Amino acid sequence: GQQVMQIPQYQHVQEGEDFTTYCNSSTTLSNIQWYKQRPGGHPVFLIQLVKSGEVKKQKRLTFQFGEAKKNSSLHITATQTTDVGTYFCAGPNAGGTSYGKLTFGQGTILTVHP
Amino acid sequence: NAGVTQTPKFQVLKTGQSMTLQCAQDMNHEYMSWYRQDPGMGLRLIHYSVGAGITDQGEVPNGYNVSRSTTEDFPLRLLSAAPSQTSVYFCASSYSVTINSPLHFGNGTRLTVT
Repeated sequence: GQQVMQIPQYQHVQEGEDFTTYCNSSTTLSNIQWYKQRPGGHPVFLIQLVKSGEVKKQKRLTFQFGEAKKNSSLHITATQTTDVGTYFCAGPNAGGTSYGKLTFGQGTILTVHP
Repeated sequence: NAGVTQTPKFQVLKTGQSMTLQCAQDMNHEYMSWYRQDPGMGLRLIHYSVGAGITDQGEVPNGYNVSRSTTEDFPLRLLSAAPSQTSVYFCASSYSVTINSPLHFGNGTRLTVT
């Protein structure tokens, strides 16, 4: 079945440093979603990318969708302590009877040292 | 709107006991789902529903039952709890069954099976 792999699993940065997490799918994705989960909290939707090569920005966060629609990345510029948490990518299963399934990557746990 | 409401927040069970995790949403969402979250494993789909009266299995359905008698409610039943079911459980809903719409998560239920 479809696999969504996310790296790195952990990332420790000093406040002000940049951070990037990468997401790779074993199959072509129709779209990809990104979520953030604060420690002790629940995942919260950040953004969805649909088009090949798409780039979207939210303040210090930049999201990219690969040309082949099999990979994606989230880049945070100049991290702040409020960026701490786990970042997940998620992609839908392709067609057939699996249209209701959203597969999540393992997540990247970001720690920001002040 | 309350969004997605899960109860209880915490639960401890003995092996072999049964229980139901409750999930309700007041956003008139078609799609509802249950995920479990374990360290290093990301979020894994247990069961999902694309509308009242319709349910389907996700990635890890064994040991769990669901039903969707109304649009609002999607309870998850553990028939005979096992230590391997110790996890954090999240209920999530979305507006559309086409999985292009973002998931709204509840606050989670932390379950320990001894």
